[in-house]
Amino acid sequence: QKEVEQDPGPLSVPEGAIVSLNCTYSNSAFQYFMWYRQYSRKGPELLMYTYSSGNKEDGRFTAQVDKSSKYISLFIRDSQPSDSATYLCAMRPYNTDKLIFGTGTRLQVFP
Amino acid sequence: EPEVTQTPSHQVTQMGQEVILRCVPISNHLYFYWYRQILGQKVEFLVSFYNNEISEKSEIFDDQFSVERPDGSNFTLKIRSTKLEDSAMYFCASSEGTGANEKLFFGSGTQLSVL
Repeated sequence: QKEVEQDPGPLSVPEGAIVSLNCTYSNSAFQYFMWYRQYSRKGPELLMYTYSSGNKEDGRFTAQVDKSSKYISLFIRDSQPSDSATYLCAMRPYNTDKLIFGTGTRLQVFP
Repeated sequence: EPEVTQTPSHQVTQMGQEVILRCVPISNHLYFYWYRQILGQKVEFLVSFYNNEISEKSEIFDDQFSVERPDGSNFTLKIRSTKLEDSAMYFCASSEGTGANEKLFFGSGTQLSVL
């Protein structure tokens, strides 16, 4: 079983849709959870950072962590064409610097 | 908005040659990282650096790799003798703190092509 699994997509949605992106993980030691957005030929850009179970909201983005199910989600409300990018989940245990990334989900929002 | 700057954006080299990838982290950040992404694969951790020494390195980061902070602003990754399999996008990142205060900011990357 892979440490972090993420559906690679692509996911294609109309403008204004609610998007749900998900990752599962197998290592119960993971404590810190992040979502990054990566545009083509650019570096990952941090969107959301959380270290506890539950929901965290920032504008149109909501990150959800369920440690008991080893499952994290990112919801994007009122999606825009500018949201078209690859979304990477990343996580790490408390005792290491090493972020483990998912493969990324490619999202396309069409007008 | 402050950002991590990487140069060059593209680097082409012959197998066996040495390359140095350069990064200018965000000025008040104390923790520095290198990651790489081989085409079509996951972003992978290479090394973390704090207080002028390596904090942690991955199994990828063998004796051919080294990092240095030669002055107060630059952070470099050196590959001593490049191999074909070193071809990848290399990302530098920095953060202000660790643990609950860790938020990594990534540069735009250096695309390394080894021929």
